Amino acid sequence: AQSVAQPEDQVNVAEGNPLTVKCTYSVSGNPYLFWYVQYPNRGLQFLLKYITGDNLVKGSYGFEAEFNKSQTSFHLKKPSALVSDSALYFCAVTSNYQLIWGAGTKLIIKP
Amino acid sequence: EAGVTQFPSHSVIEKGQTVTLRCDPISGHDNLYWYRRVMGKEIKFLLHFVKESKQDESGMPNNRFLAERTGGTYSTLKVQPAELEDSGVYFCASSQDSFSGTDPRQFFGPGTRLTVL
Repeated sequence: AQSVAQPEDQVNVAEGNPLTVKCTYSVSGNPYLFWYVQYPNRGLQFLLKYITGDNLVKGSYGFEAEFNKSQTSFHLKKPSALVSDSALYFCAVTSNYQLIWGAGTKLIIKP
Repeated sequence: EAGVTQFPSHSVIEKGQTVTLRCDPISGHDNLYWYRRVMGKEIKFLLHFVKESKQDESGMPNNRFLAERTGGTYSTLKVQPAELEDSGVYFCASSQDSFSGTDPRQFFGPGTRLTVL
């Protein structure tokens, strides 16, 4: 079955430290990969995507993600976390022209 | 530019009642998607419109769910009759291109939180 795993329900990081939110997937073919963020009482916002090319993609708000085909992973990273980065993060992968979503990871950045 | 809007933001109904959710996509976006997130779980695809046509409705749970997009503008999702397991947040998204296009980003509305008692 096609699936996306975000193994951590919650990630806690101190402000100024680097952060990583993990995502692995199991889909056939060469999918497109996305990260979205949801702030409280808001809709999901697009952060970044990987379609082809350089494995390291840069997105909004200083986030980046590294595509690793051999490990089927697409971890989200940021070198220095801000308190305002606290939100719910979703990884999504295309399969048969649909988006398959992870369950989300709550990121908490503490001052 | 206005974003995707959804109405209502919250709906509380009793089992057996009918609820209709509305989504207004970004103007000019031919692609419109419906998703659902049940408490704490992954977001699930429901269906995809291209203009007024249902491109893919494989994610619709059962025939109690009916989606329409008359005229290819706004869309409605009706649940009739509602069951307890229908509770969740229903998201709508729109995009300029599908995944075969150059800009497949989907823009999401704030969601409708449906509670069935």
